[in-house]
Amino acid sequence: EVQLVESGGGLVKPGGSLRLSCAASRFTFSSYSMNWVRQAPGKGLEWVSFISSSSSYKHYADSVKGRFTISRDNAKNSLFLQMNSLRVEDTAVYYCAKDRGDGYNHPFDSWGQGTLVTVSS
Amino acid sequence: SYVLTQPPSVSVAPGETARITCGGNNIGGKSVHWYQQKPGQAPVLVVYFDGDRPSGIPERFSGSYSMDTATLTISRVEAGDEADYFCQMWDISTDHRVFGGGTTLTVL
Repeated sequence: EVQLVESGGGLVKPGGSLRLSCAASRFTFSSYSMNWVRQAPGKGLEWVSFISSSSSYKHYADSVKGRFTISRDNAKNSLFLQMNSLRVEDTAVYYCAKDRGDGYNHPFDSWGQGTLVTVSS
Repeated sequence: SYVLTQPPSVSVAPGETARITCGGNNIGGKSVHWYQQKPGQAPVLVVYFDGDRPSGIPERFSGSYSMDTATLTISRVEAGDEADYFCQMWDISTDHRVFGGGTTLTVL
């Protein structure tokens, strides 16, 4: 069974930075595109960012473009999200989500348990 | 950007059929995926593309399209189906993924 384990969340002040990691196992990580999806407390799901299997393509939600950077290390089966210039409205649980294939139209077929990011002074 | 509209809540008695809608412009020409999320848990994919189900998802869960609406149908609803349900698709004009606002299914 696919395993995705996020880490790196925590409390940070507005304007600060944080780097999230997602350790993947039990599947061929380098063959699948990956995503970050977040959920603010009591709210719905919001897609944050996408990266293709070879890192050739990256996309960001308008709400984080220019502040967040997605990356991956296929040799280490790891996905990352560098978050800079954090805002109070970035407070959320951040999920690592695997695509069912490599491309844009695939569903998210596996999710991690999430890591909580709290932005507060 | 593309918008997916879901009703905030749907209520159904055990054993009945629940229908959760997801509205969007010309949604019939797109592929919609559905997720179930129970309190304190990560979302789980329940239906994808034109009604496919991942392994382990009961046949009671199915998907369909009609005009500008995609529908998740849950037949013979059980207490364990009580959860939030989200629709999701890919917006080809922006290459962004889009989620609906979510629907809370209450089993009476």
